[in-house]
Amino acid sequence: DAKTTQPNSMESNEEEPVHLPCNHSTISGTDYIHWYRQLPSQGPEYVIHGLTSNVNNRMASLAIAEDRKSSTLILHRATLRDAAVYYCILRDPGNSGGSNYKLTFGKGTLLTVNP
Amino acid sequence: DAMVIQNPRYQVTQFGKPVTLSCSQTLNHNVMYWYQQKSSQAPKLLFHYYDKDFNNEADTPDNFQSRRPNTSFCFLDIRSPGLGDAAMYLCATSIDRWNNYEQYFGPGTRLTVT
Repeated sequence: DAKTTQPNSMESNEEEPVHLPCNHSTISGTDYIHWYRQLPSQGPEYVIHGLTSNVNNRMASLAIAEDRKSSTLILHRATLRDAAVYYCILRDPGNSGGSNYKLTFGKGTLLTVNP
Repeated sequence: DAMVIQNPRYQVTQFGKPVTLSCSQTLNHNVMYWYQQKSSQAPKLLFHYYDKDFNNEADTPDNFQSRRPNTSFCFLDIRSPGLGDAAMYLCATSIDRWNNYEQYFGPGTRLTVT
């Protein structure tokens, strides 16, 4: 499985933008980039995913490098509720076998938001 | 709201005493997953059901079993819990295994083994 590399931790101030990086230099052409986050004492929750183009939704934006070897999750205005572990996960959506069916979580980035 | 429910939220069991964790969903999703998350680690998939089809991960110990009596419910059975099985157990659902469908997670059950 293609692996991702994320900083162990990052810190931000409330109301400021946060850019969470993810490196995935061995990404394959069919891998989508997914982000999940896990708030304290809760299960993970889906944030966003994309393939090549930048993506926006109500929670965040995903900026994908042109060579797809890295991506950045952008929280436009961090709130205290955004303090969580953020996981960047590569996933091939095809049903051709292997481990395409599952999410393989790495260590993620622990985001601390200061009031 | 449609959701994934796990009961109980906290479970204490004794070493070697069988324990069952429960998960229910109101999303009517085809796939149900069980993940194990040990302290300060990432969630790790134990197995999943695609409808009634059970799919075990290669490195899941035999001590862990699962049942899915209907679409809504899925159970995790630990036949003889050891101290190393203390963890958060997360249930998740998805419409399908493929095509980027997101997984919806429950709040988890934290298992303590004494």
